[in-house]
Amino acid sequence: SQTIHQWPATLVQPVGSPLSLECTVEGTSNPNLYWYRQAAGRGLQLLFYSVGIGQISSEVPQNLSASRPQDRQFILSSKKLLLSDSGFYLCAWSTLSAVALHFGNGTRLTVT
Amino acid sequence: GENVEQHPSTLSVQEGDSAVIKCTYSDSASNYFPWYKQELGKGPQLIIDIRSNVGEKKDQRIAVTLNKTAKHFSLHITETQPEDSAVYFCAASISNNNDMRFGAGTRLTVKP
Repeated sequence: SQTIHQWPATLVQPVGSPLSLECTVEGTSNPNLYWYRQAAGRGLQLLFYSVGIGQISSEVPQNLSASRPQDRQFILSSKKLLLSDSGFYLCAWSTLSAVALHFGNGTRLTVT
Repeated sequence: GENVEQHPSTLSVQEGDSAVIKCTYSDSASNYFPWYKQELGKGPQLIIDIRSNVGEKKDQRIAVTLNKTAKHFSLHITETQPEDSAVYFCAASISNNNDMRFGAGTRLTVKP
């Protein structure tokens, strides 16, 4: 069966520091991969999606970037964090043939 | 683009009662409508979904109805239990996950 792993679960970083969040998927090949951000009491905002290695699409302009160095690995990065980058970051995957999204357990990022 | 609105934002019911959460969408081309349950500290989990060629779908105590003409869909939970307490999100998508839009969520509390 397919599983998705995200780490770390929680992270506290100072303003101006770099960020690297990692997500890996097991049990499937060539998945679509996504990064979402969830602000407190709000819905999920799509940040990036990828349909293949090295292929990244950005939904909103921001201080973050994403990379997909391997088929089942998706990384969310920032060179310099802002206070506004605080939030709950979720990685998700889907297959090319099915529409359903499957989420990881998220990373709670607090920028201080 | 698609806009999904979800009501109510909070819902409190007594154990054993029914709970109904409603969503509306704006893009008549949307054809896939999932519902997610998010427990504290975890990622959203898909609990049921419906496609535009179906008006209703049921899975044990959970059912979803879709009215394409009115562009709204609803989640119905019968015989609620305390473990149903969570945040529920609706979403709408046109043809692929890249444009899946989420409602703002409903915090359901089931009182024992």
